[in-house]
Amino acid sequence: GAVVSQHPSWVICKSGTSVKIECRSLDFQATTMFWYRQFPKQSLMLMATSNEGSKATYEQGVEKDKFLINHASLTLSTLTVTSAHPEDSSFYICSARDTRYQIDTQYFGPGTRLTVL
Amino acid sequence: AQSVAQPEDQVNVAEGNPLTVKCTYSVSGNPYLFWYVQYPNRGLQFLLKYITGDNLVKGSYGFEAEFNKSQTSFHLKKPSALVSDSALYFCAVTPRASSNTGKLIFGQGTTLQVKP
Repeated sequence: GAVVSQHPSWVICKSGTSVKIECRSLDFQATTMFWYRQFPKQSLMLMATSNEGSKATYEQGVEKDKFLINHASLTLSTLTVTSAHPEDSSFYICSARDTRYQIDTQYFGPGTRLTVL
Repeated sequence: AQSVAQPEDQVNVAEGNPLTVKCTYSVSGNPYLFWYVQYPNRGLQFLLKYITGDNLVKGSYGFEAEFNKSQTSFHLKKPSALVSDSALYFCAVTPRASSNTGKLIFGQGTTLQVKP
């Protein structure tokens, strides 16, 4: 199988602070990772595509200056929520694209629950 | 617009009975099809995928899915449901033309409730 980890699993922060979330592919290399946001009992909303060694590609309506993405290595992508506000509270999930086989498959991390007070 | 539909918000079945979670898609060409499961406060777990070939795909935890090209459907099935199967299930597709980006189009999710 393919394992993707996320850290931290949950975080509580004060309004105005920045929070960094890490996404790691543990047993495969991923040139592409994805960041999603999920609201309660809803589907996943793709925020951005993280590309190793290049700039992330953001979906329409997602503020790139607020959600900073860095994909510094083939196994690590980070999402930094800058100057977080209560409306940024959400469940953030990353996925890593496994390209080792015939058809790519996305494997997901366990998610990070962000609560901004 | 390309989309994936899961027409049922919730499916209720009794333990031991067969279950079906429906998925239809509106995507050009022959997309790749996936099913994922999400347990509370967790990420998504990969169940199975359809690429080509046999229309019946077998996956993890005894689940299988049937691809029907004429009906553009990819329903998830299991012959005998377990209480532990209770979770949120997502159908997703990748259009072949977009396979280079790897982006997935998700359905809205279906909550499966298996009662003892």
